Amino acid sequence: GNSVTQMEGPVTLSEEAFLTINCTYTATGYPSLFWYVQYPGEGLQLLLKATKADDKGSNKGFEATYRKETTSFHLEKGSVQVSDSAVYFCALVATSGSRLTFGEGTQLTVNP
Amino acid sequence: EAQVTQNPRYLITVTGKKLTVTCSQNMNHEYMSWYRQDPGLGLRQIYYSMNVEVTDKGDVPEGYKVSRKEKRNFPLILESPSPNQTSLYFCASSFGDRGRDGYTFGSGTRLTVV
Repeated sequence: GNSVTQMEGPVTLSEEAFLTINCTYTATGYPSLFWYVQYPGEGLQLLLKATKADDKGSNKGFEATYRKETTSFHLEKGSVQVSDSAVYFCALVATSGSRLTFGEGTQLTVNP
Repeated sequence: EAQVTQNPRYLITVTGKKLTVTCSQNMNHEYMSWYRQDPGLGLRQIYYSMNVEVTDKGDVPEGYKVSRKEKRNFPLILESPSPNQTSLYFCASSFGDRGRDGYTFGSGTRLTVV
């Protein structure tokens, strides 16, 4: 079946540090890939997405590139802020649709 | 504002007392889905609906019911809640292409069953 694996957390960084959260997936065909963010006490918000190989999704300084050859969709940001502290989820929807399959989530804490 | 609205945000109930969590979206989305979020288990799909009167089970449907009589509404029904259904619940909706463009989530309903 389909699955998503994220790097183990939690991740703690200082403000302005570089962020990478690894995400790899298992799915047949060409799934759509997503990063969702959950701030404390809130629901999930779509951060960025990519729907085909080599697409780069970007939003709010975050980026992720759909790598079919390595089945990966790593999340990066060049300079994190305290306000980026949240839980980040990698997810996919398979070619056949329509279910979102989530990774375990990675807790990010950014200290001033 | 385009959104998915869940009610209530918080609910404490007793074992066996039927309850309904409502979900409504104002984006004319075809696809709607319910998830529960539990520590250590992540987010798991309960039920989903591809359109009016079309629903199907997700990964953890036991103990839940849903209905889709109107496009905008997708209520989650717990006929006889039990403590193991204590969880954080999210409703989500997506426009077309079977969810491949992404889902919009509600703010969540934190349910405690005692």
